[in-house]
Amino acid sequence: KAGVTQTPRYLIKTRGQQVTLSCSPISGHRSVSWYQQTPGQGLQFLFEYFSETQRNKGNFPGRFSGRQFSNSRSEMNVSTLELGDSALYLCASSPSSRLAKNIQYFGAGTRLSVL
Amino acid sequence: SQKIEQNSEALNIQEGKTATLTCNYTNYSPAYLQWYRQDPGRGPVFLLLIRENEKEKRKERLKVTFDTTLKQSLFHITASQPADSATYLCALDHNNNDMRFGAGTRLTVKP
Repeated sequence: KAGVTQTPRYLIKTRGQQVTLSCSPISGHRSVSWYQQTPGQGLQFLFEYFSETQRNKGNFPGRFSGRQFSNSRSEMNVSTLELGDSALYLCASSPSSRLAKNIQYFGAGTRLSVL
Repeated sequence: SQKIEQNSEALNIQEGKTATLTCNYTNYSPAYLQWYRQDPGRGPVFLLLIRENEKEKRKERLKVTFDTTLKQSLFHITASQPADSATYLCALDHNNNDMRFGAGTRLTVKP
């Protein structure tokens, strides 16, 4: 099976712009979660989608949004970018079964730099 | 407030020794806890899961313990090798399908 694919791998944007990141989960996985990773804050949970519905949400402002399509692919959008949004954005998919206990399968991430 | 703390930002040990990493949590009641490994430029990779009713779990040179009274998990790598050098993250379930991660401990194993 192919792993979790995130595109693009690198992005450079300027303050005030918006950005859309894409994630293709492992085939058969219906849960997709997004995380922000920075050296200071570590890995922080943004939100989780399952069957096109947002099930869980972390403590991020409304500028961060996401969606999931019927094929489980997911996108994350950040509007009005700030310098502090520079980070590695990681997507993870999960089989979301009781047996799998929400094991996260991560992509390689998108490195976003805001100038 | 809720916290997940991993003992130190960095840990340096000599090859062949046992590395012990700590994960402490506050104001969570996880049903299970996971450990991941992350190499530079890559996403974390799942290593082990331990449930609240399990005291210890082993996989090859890895061992995890989970003490719900102390609110602590210990992660051990025995007979450590330079290839074990990476950042190790603990994660616990917050709200069914919502996983929360610690900041990680960067382990360096010196030959």
